[in-house]
Amino acid sequence: QQQVKQSPQSLIVQKGGISIINCAYENTAFDYFPWYQQFPGKGPALLIAIRPDVSEKKEGRFTISFNKSAKQFSLHIMDSQPGDSATYFCAASSETSYDKVIFGPGTSLSVIP
Amino acid sequence: ETGVTQSPTHLIKTRGQQVTLRCSSQSGHNTVSWYQQALGQGPQFIFQYYREEENGRGNFPPRFSGLQFPNYSSELNVNALELDDSALYLCASSFRDRGETQYFGPGTRLLVL
Repeated sequence: QQQVKQSPQSLIVQKGGISIINCAYENTAFDYFPWYQQFPGKGPALLIAIRPDVSEKKEGRFTISFNKSAKQFSLHIMDSQPGDSATYFCAASSETSYDKVIFGPGTSLSVIP
Repeated sequence: ETGVTQSPTHLIKTRGQQVTLRCSSQSGHNTVSWYQQALGQGPQFIFQYYREEENGRGNFPPRFSGLQFPNYSSELNVNALELDDSALYLCASSFRDRGETQYFGPGTRLLVL
């Protein structure tokens, strides 16, 4: 059973454009929502995370939007750069088990010049 | 680069064999979590070790087992290997007592023939 759904599966964006990745979850016990970035040959690295008490969190060019009632959240990458080309995973966990993470299936992002 | 290291980097086994994968956690971390990442998918939580005790397990059969040593390094053992066990195995370490983020190692790529 896929507890965290993610779309699109792949995304091609021009340099300078906005990349948007959407996720949805089912388990209302989740209360910690991290995003991970993974480059080929590397393990995932935490990019940004949000808790459901806020609707938006911004760190540099990366913004998470969170809709608790719809059980949906999204990642926006502003001014996308070729160096952002990677696979992005949304994920969820509970705060008491924040490091037992349920990952989405991933989005392969390619930023073209 | 995180301080989490894994060995070996690549491994080829045949069906029915047993395998041991190793993980050295980042300095100061007392928790190790193991994940299985099949090709093109998100990582799936296998289990976690906290202060040398298993602290949670995902939906994996008992032939997946682990250990954590007093220095907080860890092993993942898989018995009776099946073709579907072919995947990237990731470990992540964290300092659970302070709720700090977990850091992933680069993974071990296992191929079962």
